[in-house]
Amino acid sequence: GAGVSQSPSNKVTEKGKDVELRCDPISGHTALYWYRQSLGQGLEFLIYFQGNSAPDKSGLPSDRFSAERTGGSVSTLTIQRTQQEDSAVYLCASSPRGRGLQFFGPGTRLTVL
Amino acid sequence: DQQVKQNSPSLSVQEGRISILNCDYTNSMFDYFLWYKKYPAEGPTFLISISSIKDKNEDGRFTVFLNKSAKHLSLHIVPSQPGDSAVYFCAASAGDTPLVFGKGTRLSVIA
Repeated sequence: GAGVSQSPSNKVTEKGKDVELRCDPISGHTALYWYRQSLGQGLEFLIYFQGNSAPDKSGLPSDRFSAERTGGSVSTLTIQRTQQEDSAVYLCASSPRGRGLQFFGPGTRLTVL
Repeated sequence: DQQVKQNSPSLSVQEGRISILNCDYTNSMFDYFLWYKKYPAEGPTFLISISSIKDKNEDGRFTVFLNKSAKHLSLHIVPSQPGDSAVYFCAASAGDTPLVFGKGTRLSVIA
């Protein structure tokens, strides 16, 4: 497709389980970003990839969170041993370079019971 | 330290009137500013941007103003329409750094 896609669109999991969220950026975009938006909150930056490397991981809230990007394309955000406070919408964005306009996907709504 | 601040969490405006959304920033190195619009259950979509070499950029009903000395930008929507009801995010970047987002302002346009 032409835009950023994310899967799944919704994920309900039990506390303590691991989850994987996927992002397919726009073809050719070298930069990829993960954010989350908790209920009533703004966009919280999590991690940024330039190619397959992550120059900025400063936003990952704990060591339960990790992300990887392979082939300069698809990225996976993994949350281990999920907690209820991890419930949020997880948004992915990509941009042609490491700056400027970012294009967002529709997000994955994660609910941890 | 919040580098991009949107101090009004919400704003209500009558249909047909002007909506003014404000954004303040602290980093004087920011040279590119954007506004995004977000509907529920969707990702943010790009609305309008401005480079630091300009003080105004207009696109249809949307105009962004930049006051570098005050480190302030604003988004004007005129006339406001019910379909403009959404959360608006201000964002900024410096050089090759990723965007820094504000917390958003929820605009409600009342018919």
